[in-house]
Amino acid sequence: TQLLEQSPQFLSIQEGENLTVYCNSSSVFSSLQWYRQEPGEGPVLLVTVVTGGEVKKLKRLTFQFGDARKDSSLHITAAQPGDTGLYLCAGAGAGNNRKLIWGLGTSLAVNP
Amino acid sequence: DAGITQSPRHKVTETGTPVTLRCHQTENHRYMYWYRQDPGHGLRLIHYSYGVKDTDKGEVSDGYSVSRSKTEDFLLTLESATSSQTSVYFCAIRMTSGTVGELFFGEGSRLTVL
Repeated sequence: TQLLEQSPQFLSIQEGENLTVYCNSSSVFSSLQWYRQEPGEGPVLLVTVVTGGEVKKLKRLTFQFGDARKDSSLHITAAQPGDTGLYLCAGAGAGNNRKLIWGLGTSLAVNP
Repeated sequence: DAGITQSPRHKVTETGTPVTLRCHQTENHRYMYWYRQDPGHGLRLIHYSYGVKDTDKGEVSDGYSVSRSKTEDFLLTLESATSSQTSVYFCAIRMTSGTVGELFFGEGSRLTVL
């Protein structure tokens, strides 16, 4: 069974701090997606990484896909209260990308 | 952007009653999904559809059925609701413009079974 483990599970920081959250697996994924979910809403796609070693930047967010395509990280620089939310990673297996494997998420609170 | 409407957004029902949740999309996307989200379990796939009248089970399909008679509508039915089905249910569509199976989610339907 493919599993995606996210860490940390919870994170509470002050505005302006940097942070990194991780998404790890023993399985290889053809691609990995990151979503952010705010309370009372559905998850919203942030980025998809496809190539091993790939780095993508979205303003203050930097996403990296591991060389072996088994893990990924999300780094936020100078966090703001608007970054508060649940960050979810989801991996797509090779050959059947209709069913994603989801991590349990990292709940981030950025305090003003 | 794709448009997804879930209804009802909130429902309280009693054990043993049937419940139907509706997901309506406006852009003729082929793939549609029903997930449930629970603390400690994350998002779990219930059923998905890859076309009109074409559906398949996800990892937690027991106690649920689905129907898709039109491209735009995907219905999730709990034939006889149980307290374990208290959850937040999300409908999603697969974005055809995405790289690999990226999903666009509705706002969710919160179901409480007493």
